[in-house]
Amino acid sequence: DGGITQSPKYLFRKEGQNVTLSCEQNLNHDAMYWYRQDPGQGLRLIYYSQIVNDFQKGDIAEGYSVSREKKESFPLTVTSAQKNPTAFYLCASSRGLAGGGETQYFGPGTRLLVL
Amino acid sequence: GENVEQHPSTLSVQEGDSAVIKCTYSDSASNYFPWYKQELGKRPQLIIDIRSNVGEKKDQRIAVTLNKTAKHFSLHITETQPEDSAVYFCAASMGTGRRALTFGSGTRLQVQP
Repeated sequence: DGGITQSPKYLFRKEGQNVTLSCEQNLNHDAMYWYRQDPGQGLRLIYYSQIVNDFQKGDIAEGYSVSREKKESFPLTVTSAQKNPTAFYLCASSRGLAGGGETQYFGPGTRLLVL
Repeated sequence: GENVEQHPSTLSVQEGDSAVIKCTYSDSASNYFPWYKQELGKRPQLIIDIRSNVGEKKDQRIAVTLNKTAKHFSLHITETQPEDSAVYFCAASMGTGRRALTFGSGTRLQVQP
């Protein structure tokens, strides 16, 4: 999992502002995922992508958007429509369908706080 | 969709004792079951996983068992050590379709020295 990076480590959002969280991997993985973790809770799936230029909504996609223009990158935008964005955001990747590997490896996370 | 329930939410054991965490899943199509360990403020780290064609898997002090009929799987940690203290999450995913993980709510394990 050392091949997955997320930035920034901490991010502050003002009211009405869109912010973008970065996720990059150099593991040559096809699949990438975004999860949200609230304090004392499990991980909930926001969006996932099995291949470049394709992505699917997860369980809590409202107020978020993603893009997958490159295999290595899967940025997450938290829009102003997300009214309660304070959480720990984790990006993960796996070899995916073609690679036959479902094991997901996580990045170090971004902690988003609302000012 | 898939639903994963995890018990207990907290577990306190004495150093050297065993710890067992149990999870149940709802979708019989799920066929991959990983366990992650997460220390405070850190990323989840995979500690062991099992696929539906296997009933048990061991790795040193850690083992996972799977009962497909009952749709439950368990994590067993033997000879616990203080450094085993963390939050443990189980998860499940299907071999087709979404293939993303559905996580349990976590178990906070405290190993008392």
